[in-house]
Amino acid sequence: QSALTQPASVSGSSGQSITISCTGTSSDVSGYNYVSWYQQHPGKAPKLMIYQVTNRPSGVSTRFSGSKSGNTASLTISGLQAEDEADYYCSSYSSTTTYVFGTGTKVTVL
Amino acid sequence: EVHLVESGGGLVQPGGSLRLSCADSGFMFSGSWMSWVRQAPGKGLEWVANISPDGSDIYYVDSVKGRFTISRDNAKNSLHLQMNSLRAEDTALYYCARHWNWGWDYWGQGTLVTVSS
Repeated sequence: QSALTQPASVSGSSGQSITISCTGTSSDVSGYNYVSWYQQHPGKAPKLMIYQVTNRPSGVSTRFSGSKSGNTASLTISGLQAEDEADYYCSSYSSTTTYVFGTGTKVTVL
Repeated sequence: EVHLVESGGGLVQPGGSLRLSCADSGFMFSGSWMSWVRQAPGKGLEWVANISPDGSDIYYVDSVKGRFTISRDNAKNSLHLQMNSLRAEDTALYYCARHWNWGWDYWGQGTLVTVSS
């Protein structure tokens, strides 16, 4: 069962925008609109940032947005802030493995 | 306010068993799908198992099928994971989470399971 592919790290300066990609297959990312994104600070539990590709839960900053094109989903963080420095994981429903997470991306704010 | 608290983790020898529990307070536990998600030390997240509100639908990741059993007690607002035939690769922080809109919106702080001789 292969994880979804994410870049190991992404960095940006404060105030900039960054995008994290999440690449899967027709069995998961492109097959369903069931991609979600999670932010995890060191030693903390994951936090849901985006669900069903584009939806933000109540309380999540509008600086976070999600999208999808083909086999690749993306999380964009606009107006990057120091508090956004964390690990980010995507997840998708999968017809083969039920649910699969991405490999994770470490976001660094320069 | 949702509050999920896991317990039951610890050190166990390969081949041993552990039973994890997750206690909920503050939301409609009995009406929610629930999950276990794990994270090996320094590694990424891995979905482990899901259970429907009434316990009739259950799903597992292939690597734990036949060894782990997810269950729930709605009367006590509790979720469980019985883990048998534990392996070194099961070493992880195990999170209890509410499954919502094809993702997970509430998470506990996790309970650590270490499988080692």
